[in-house]
Amino acid sequence: EVHLVESGGGLVQPGGSLRLSCAASGFTFINSWMTWVRQAPGKGLQWVANIKHDGTEKYYVDSVKGRFTISRDNAKNSLYLQMNNLRAEDTAVYYCARLLFNTGWYWGSWGQGTLVTVSS
Amino acid sequence: QTVVTQEPSFSVSPGGTVTLTCGLTSGSVSSIHNPSWYQQTPGQAPRTLIYSTNSRSSGVPDRFSGSILGNKAALTITGAQADDESAYYCVLYMGSGMVFGGGTKLTVL
Repeated sequence: EVHLVESGGGLVQPGGSLRLSCAASGFTFINSWMTWVRQAPGKGLQWVANIKHDGTEKYYVDSVKGRFTISRDNAKNSLYLQMNNLRAEDTAVYYCARLLFNTGWYWGSWGQGTLVTVSS
Repeated sequence: QTVVTQEPSFSVSPGGTVTLTCGLTSGSVSSIHNPSWYQQTPGQAPRTLIYSTNSRSSGVPDRFSGSILGNKAALTITGAQADDESAYYCVLYMGSGMVFGGGTKLTVL
């Protein structure tokens, strides 16, 4: 069974930094594209970043480019999101998710999420 | 900029059938957009229901089905149950990547 467990969320001041982690199990992590998706309080879902299975390709939503960095450690079956220069609008639950491909890409598995609150 | 559109809310009676749609502010949705659907109950993580327009994810009951209806993607729930009361999000693959719709809050009453 696929398990994705996020950690690292918390309260941080505007301009601060935070590093999220996602521990993966139950599937071949090294072969999987991974992603971060977030959800602001009371709002819908928003894709944040993708990373290729070997880490050689990374993609970001425009609003986090230059501030967030997605990375992975395949030896540890772990995904990360380094978030710098955080803003109030980054406040959200951050979900780690596994990307799958059939005739096209879709999210096949989700973690339970970790809450990031940016406030002074 | 093209936006993915969904009905903000919908209601269905227990045992009834409801069809939620997913469209574009410009143009038509087709299988090329690889529609997928996700269910989210309050306080919970999303759950994958449908991918590649009409394929059910593992463990999803067959009363959930996906299709293309006219110029939109559609999610049909037949025999609605109380625990179907959730938010439903569609995702379309656009040239810029995968884009979420705003979600439909489904009420079962």
